[in-house]
Amino acid sequence: GENVEQHPSTLSVQEGDSAVIKCTYSDSASNYFPWYKQELGKRPQLIIDIRSNVGEKKDQRIAVTLNKTAKHFSLHITETQPEDSAVYFCAASSNDYKLSFGAGTTVTVRA
Amino acid sequence: DAGVTQSPTHLIKTRGQQVTLRCSPKSGHDTVSWYQQALGQGPQFIFQYYEEEERQRGNFPDRFSGHQFPNYSSELNVNALLLGDSALYLCASSLARTDGYTFGSGTRLTVV
Repeated sequence: GENVEQHPSTLSVQEGDSAVIKCTYSDSASNYFPWYKQELGKRPQLIIDIRSNVGEKKDQRIAVTLNKTAKHFSLHITETQPEDSAVYFCAASSNDYKLSFGAGTTVTVRA
Repeated sequence: DAGVTQSPTHLIKTRGQQVTLRCSPKSGHDTVSWYQQALGQGPQFIFQYYEEEERQRGNFPDRFSGHQFPNYSSELNVNALLLGDSALYLCASSLARTDGYTFGSGTRLTVV
């Protein structure tokens, strides 16, 4: 089955700086790569996603890049703000539509 | 906006007991997937229901079973509870087995 690895497990950044989270996946059939943000005690919320026919996608301060050859994808958050503090999960799925999640990255934005 | 609704929000059970968790999908969605999220970990796929049938199953024992009703709502049943079953159980809905998932807030199950 699919195996998704996520790094780093914790990330502390100064407000205004950028944050980068990296994930690798094992199944070459994976074609959908969402990123979720989960605040303490709340549901995972989709923040951005990318499909295998696209190399990069951007939504305001958030961007995701995908390298299919290397089987890795990354989340980039620019101009971080205190409200960006949360746990971020990457995930991957193929045509079976079941998500395989990474272990999560706890992001802390220091004011 | 009628998002994904899960009940109950919290539950405490004793080892060996059975539990039923419930999920109502987002309006317009017909597919329900269940995930188990242990503390400090990413969600793990349990199974997916579409057209009232289990379509996909993750690496979980037969103690975990489910059901989907004609109105697309779903139940997750866990028998013979173990301490290791303590986790947040998340329900996610989507349309026609596509990957546009919406997650519910989860049910926090504690087994003592």
